[in-house]
Amino acid sequence: EAGVTQFPSHSVIEKGQTVTLRCDPISGHDNLYWYRRVMGKEIKFLLHFVKESKQDESGMPNNRFLAERTGGTYSTLKVQPAELEDSGVYFCASSQDRGATNEKLFFGSGTQLSVL
Amino acid sequence: AQTVTQSQPEMSVQEAETVTLSCTYDTSESDYYLFWYKQPPSRQMILVIRQEAYKQQNATENRFSVNFQKAAKSFSLKISDSQLGDAAMYFCAYRPAKYNFNKFYFGSGTKLNVKP
Repeated sequence: EAGVTQFPSHSVIEKGQTVTLRCDPISGHDNLYWYRRVMGKEIKFLLHFVKESKQDESGMPNNRFLAERTGGTYSTLKVQPAELEDSGVYFCASSQDRGATNEKLFFGSGTQLSVL
Repeated sequence: AQTVTQSQPEMSVQEAETVTLSCTYDTSESDYYLFWYKQPPSRQMILVIRQEAYKQQNATENRFSVNFQKAAKSFSLKISDSQLGDAAMYFCAYRPAKYNFNKFYFGSGTKLNVKP
């Protein structure tokens, strides 16, 4: 079974540019999450999809961040325009059970984003 | 607000020795889940061990065990007989059991080095 895959693994862009991160969850997983870890800090929740619907986007930093999950399969996270403080590792995770409190999260390897 | 604190940014252990990673958390909830996740270099983050707050017995998974002190809000991870493959970033995480149970709260991580 393929795990959660994220692309690209690394991205280096200049301030003001646009970057799009992609996450392919495990097939059949309705829940998809985006998390971010800024250098040396805790991993923070960004948002949660249930299929194609945004269930909780309370962690999105500002309107420069746009997440989509068209068709309820893969998801993209676009940052436009990127700022220096957006640098960090962006993790995607997926899970199968909807509403189950004992659900297990499966993580991708993350995308290391560097904004120069 | 729920917060998770890992006070040890980096630790080292000799192969075959035992090491304990610390984690404290803050919550007003009585029912929740606690986790330790491991992220090897450039690889996916995987679940190491999980503890339900309503269970008094400490969780154990082979060489990994936890010391869960609910009153102290402490959740340390003990790795026995450390192996080279245990070298990784370890993240402690909290998840509510009732409200906002789809949102995980992570600590800032502890980098574990294993010396041969």
